[in-house]
Order: sequence, then C-alpha cells, then structure tokens
Amino acid sequence: GENVEQHPSTLSVQEGDSAVIKCTYSDSASNYFPWYKQELGKGPQLIIDIRSNVGEKKDQRIAVTLNKTAKHFSLHITETQPEDSAVYFCAASIPGGFKTIFGAGTRLFVKA
Amino acid sequence: DVKVTQSSRYLVKRTGEKVFLECVQDMDHENMFWYRQDPGLGLRLIYFSYDVKMKEKGDIPEGYSVSREKKERFSLILESASTNQTSMYLCASSPSTGEETQYFGPGTRLLVL
Repeated sequence: GENVEQHPSTLSVQEGDSAVIKCTYSDSASNYFPWYKQELGKGPQLIIDIRSNVGEKKDQRIAVTLNKTAKHFSLHITETQPEDSAVYFCAASIPGGFKTIFGAGTRLFVKA
Repeated sequence: DVKVTQSSRYLVKRTGEKVFLECVQDMDHENMFWYRQDPGLGLRLIYFSYDVKMKEKGDIPEGYSVSREKKERFSLILESASTNQTSMYLCASSPSTGEETQYFGPGTRLLVL
C-alpha cells in the first residue's frame, strides 16, 4: 500500500528564514498531494495542494514542488513568521480512492 | 466556510466503557472520515464512509465501529474502550471522489483510564 515518509520531524528556524519540509511517497499512481497545517488545539487545515500534472505551485510565502519521477514533494515557506509555528502534514492520495495517506508530521518552530 | 464539529473536545472514560464520538458537517459532503492522531505516527484512518449507511474499513479498524444514519453525521464507537485507545480522534469530510481537500474538525482528545 501507499506509504508517505516525511522529514524532518522537528524543524527550528529563525524568524525571516526559510523552512523546507520534504516528503516521499511509494505509490506511483498517487496524483493529489495536499499539505495541512495543524495549530495547537485545532484540526489540520489545508494550506496548499498540488496535482500530478503540475511541477510547482506557489501561494504568497508558501510553495510546493513535485518530482513525480523521484516520487517526492516538498513544502517551502519563505520569510517565516512566528505564526507559522505549527505541525505540518504532507499527504498523498490515488485516483478513485478514498484513502489519503498522511506523513508523520513536522513540528515547525519559528523563533522570534 | 465548511464547518466540521465534534461533540466533545476532551473525554475521560474507564476501561470497558462504550464510547461514542460524534461528528457533524454542514457542507453536504458525501465522504466522512475518522482518524486517530498519535505522536510520530501522523494521522491513521480508522473508518470512512462515502454515503449514508455505507462504511469502509481504514488501516486500523480493530476495536472500533462506525455509524452513518444521516449524511451530515458520522459516529465513531469504541465498543469496549481500552487504554491503548487513548489518543486524539479527528473527524473529516470531503466532497465527491475523495481526491479532494479534507476538512477537519477540532479533534476529541480521549483518555481511557
């Protein structure tokens, strides 16, 4: 079955620096890759997603890149701010299925 | 805005008790999901439902059951709670095919003593 590995498990950056979180997936049929942010005491919330026919997508300070050949995708946050501190999850899902497989999560700390 | 609500934020139960976790979504989504979240393990799917009265096992269904009598409501049942079911439980919903964004509730933190 599908497996998603996420690294690092913890990431600490200085305010203003960039943060990069990387994920790899195992099922080459996966075609939808969302990223979720979970703040303390809340459920995960989608922040950006990418589909397999696109190599990169950007939304203000966040961007996601996808390399289908290598089966990995990454989240890039530029000019980090303290409010970016949260747990981030990558995920992958296959067409026609109902199962989204999540990575183990990355706890991001942004130090002011 | 999609809203997914869960009946309790925190629950404390005794071993052997029957536990009901309720989830309601207000966006007429076809799909609903129950996950448990444990440190270092991410989100693991317990059960999902793609229609009223329909249910499918996820990756870790043992010890759990579900009920979906109405489209907007999806219940998770722990028939006889055990200490290894102490966890954060997250409900989510999504439209149509399942290849879409999932909208999560705030979670229920369950402690089984």
